[in-house]
Amino acid sequence: GNSVTQMEGPVTLSEEAFLTINCTYTATGYPSLFWYVQYPGEGLQLLLKATKADDKGSNKGFEATYRKETTSFHLEKGSVQVSDSAVYFCALSAPNRDDKIIFGKGTRLHILP
Amino acid sequence: DAGVTQSPTHLIKTRGQQVTLRCSPKSGHDTVSWYQQALGQGPQFIFQYYEEEERQRGNFPDRFSGHQFPNYSSELNVNALLLGDSALYLCASTIVRGPFSTQYFGPGTRLLVL
Repeated sequence: GNSVTQMEGPVTLSEEAFLTINCTYTATGYPSLFWYVQYPGEGLQLLLKATKADDKGSNKGFEATYRKETTSFHLEKGSVQVSDSAVYFCALSAPNRDDKIIFGKGTRLHILP
Repeated sequence: DAGVTQSPTHLIKTRGQQVTLRCSPKSGHDTVSWYQQALGQGPQFIFQYYEEEERQRGNFPDRFSGHQFPNYSSELNVNALLLGDSALYLCASTIVRGPFSTQYFGPGTRLLVL
């Protein structure tokens, strides 16, 4: 079945450091890929998405590229801020009307000032 | 434009009780999905409602049931609560037009079962 695997946390970085959170997926066909962010005590917010191979999703300085050949969708940011501290979820949904989203377990990110 | 709203925000119940959670989708959205997020885990899909019918269901027992109303709002009901049902329950809405719709999540209802 479809699944998502992402690097375990917590990840602790200093402010202005470069961020990478690895994510790989297993799916039949061509799923849509997402990164969601969850700030403390809040629900999920869509951070970015990509719907086909080689698409790059980007938002708020974060980027992720849909790599079909490596089944990956790694999240990157060039210079993190304290306000980026949150839990990040990689996720996929199959390209049909079902729209069920399958999430990874999440990666907690701590940014130190 | 109001986003997805959920009520209540927090709830405390005891084992064996029943609970009803509510969700209003984002304006214009006709499809509602429910997810359970246990502490420290990613959300798990419970079920999805479209046109007032359950369209798809995840691996959850029949104690979990739902309903969608003509105005597209939805309820999640859980009977015979267990301690393990303690979690954040998330509602997500979307409008299905083509293969690449996006789901928008509400803030969730945090349920504690004692």
